[in-house]
Amino acid sequence: DTGVSQDPRHKITKRGQNVTFRCDPISEHNRLYWYRQTLGQGPEFLTYFQNEAQLEKSRLLSDRFSAERPKGSFSTLEIQRTEQGDSAMYLCASSFRSGGAVPGELFFGEGSRLTVL
Amino acid sequence: AQSVTQLDSHVSVSEGTPVLLRCNYSSSYSPSLFWYVQHPNKGLQLLLKYTSAATLVKGINGFEAEFKKSETSFHLTKPSAHMSDAAEYFCVVSDQRDTGRRALTFGSGTRLQVQP
Repeated sequence: DTGVSQDPRHKITKRGQNVTFRCDPISEHNRLYWYRQTLGQGPEFLTYFQNEAQLEKSRLLSDRFSAERPKGSFSTLEIQRTEQGDSAMYLCASSFRSGGAVPGELFFGEGSRLTVL
Repeated sequence: AQSVTQLDSHVSVSEGTPVLLRCNYSSSYSPSLFWYVQHPNKGLQLLLKYTSAATLVKGINGFEAEFKKSETSFHLTKPSAHMSDAAEYFCVVSDQRDTGRRALTFGSGTRLQVQP
């Protein structure tokens, strides 16, 4: 399978613990996005990488959140000192941007569901 | 600024009857518009996209959508619903300037139920 993969698919943790999610994008894609989706809502943008550079972070991304894409390939999203409000599905998406590519054609992974008790 | 409003949070149809999922958008520039579908425990999948070419866009699985600038709408339709169409559908707007970053703004979704 050459799609976007995310790990773990499910994570249950206690409040105050740290969690880390990993995303492996489609190999030739230079852009990688993290979104958060809560029940009954559409995905909300968190952050975006072009290659290894993190080009934008949403206001939703508090100081407890950090994302990296060290070699422009896989990415990690870490949440420190988790709170119950962090419970959500964390979605990763990737795309390839060139001069002719249409913005918005994102390929999504199946998500990592976080439950904070 | 850009935004998208999905007018119905739930739509229920009978198998074999037409589907209409409504979406209105707001964009300061010429928008690109998309519909994504999310089946349970599956990733979001692109159904179709409008990028300022033909206003009637055909997508996968028999879905189509029509861009109406005067009504700022991009409603999704299908002539005959199938049980496998039951899913969550998201209308998405993208600023054609492609700041590339938070270029996608998702609606809150419409859950489609298909009754046998």
